[in-house]
Amino acid sequence: DAGVTQSPTHLIKTRGQHVTLRCSPISGHKSVSWYQQVLGQGPQFIFQYYEKEERGRGNFPDRFSARQFPNYSSELNVNALLLGDSALYLCASSQGPSGVAGDGYTFGSGTRLTVV
Amino acid sequence: QKEVEQNSGPLSVPEGAIASLNCTYSDRGSQSFFWYRQYSGKSPELIMSIYSNGDKEDGRFTAQLNKASQYVSLLIRDSQPSDSATYLCAVMNTGFQKLVFGTGTRLLVSP
Repeated sequence: DAGVTQSPTHLIKTRGQHVTLRCSPISGHKSVSWYQQVLGQGPQFIFQYYEKEERGRGNFPDRFSARQFPNYSSELNVNALLLGDSALYLCASSQGPSGVAGDGYTFGSGTRLTVV
Repeated sequence: QKEVEQNSGPLSVPEGAIASLNCTYSDRGSQSFFWYRQYSGKSPELIMSIYSNGDKEDGRFTAQLNKASQYVSLLIRDSQPSDSATYLCAVMNTGFQKLVFGTGTRLLVSP
């Protein structure tokens, strides 16, 4: 079975541009969460979606948005990119909304975004 | 006060020794606790979860939880050089479905 797949793996963008990151959860998982990990820090929660509805939002500006599609895949969009948005963006999936069912979140390999 | 605190390390242990990694959390409503391992340049990999007070063992790994002290730990027995990585403690409050991570502890196991 495929794990959590993310695309692209690496991306270089210029300040002010827009970026779309994509994630496909593990088959049967209905919850997708997005995290940002800056070098040297732990991942920071951005969004959680379950059954196509936003269940939680972290402390990120409105430039960050996301959505979940009927097949449970998800997109993270970031507008007006800043240098500080350079980070590893991680997608995690779980069976249910809490992550307890199925024993926690499984992370994808991430998208490394560099803003220049 | 940070929500989840870990010593950033590095924690250096010789091969074959026991590595002890610690984590404290501030939210008393937290219900679920996880340890992730992250190799440099890679994504976090779940290695242990624990939900009840006490110990939970899985192979060379033992997770310990003390909710009264708001303390979680991970013991790695017979440490191997391949265990060298950053270990992230993550805490989830079921009231809000998100994982809160510590900054991670870097573990170095020397041959």
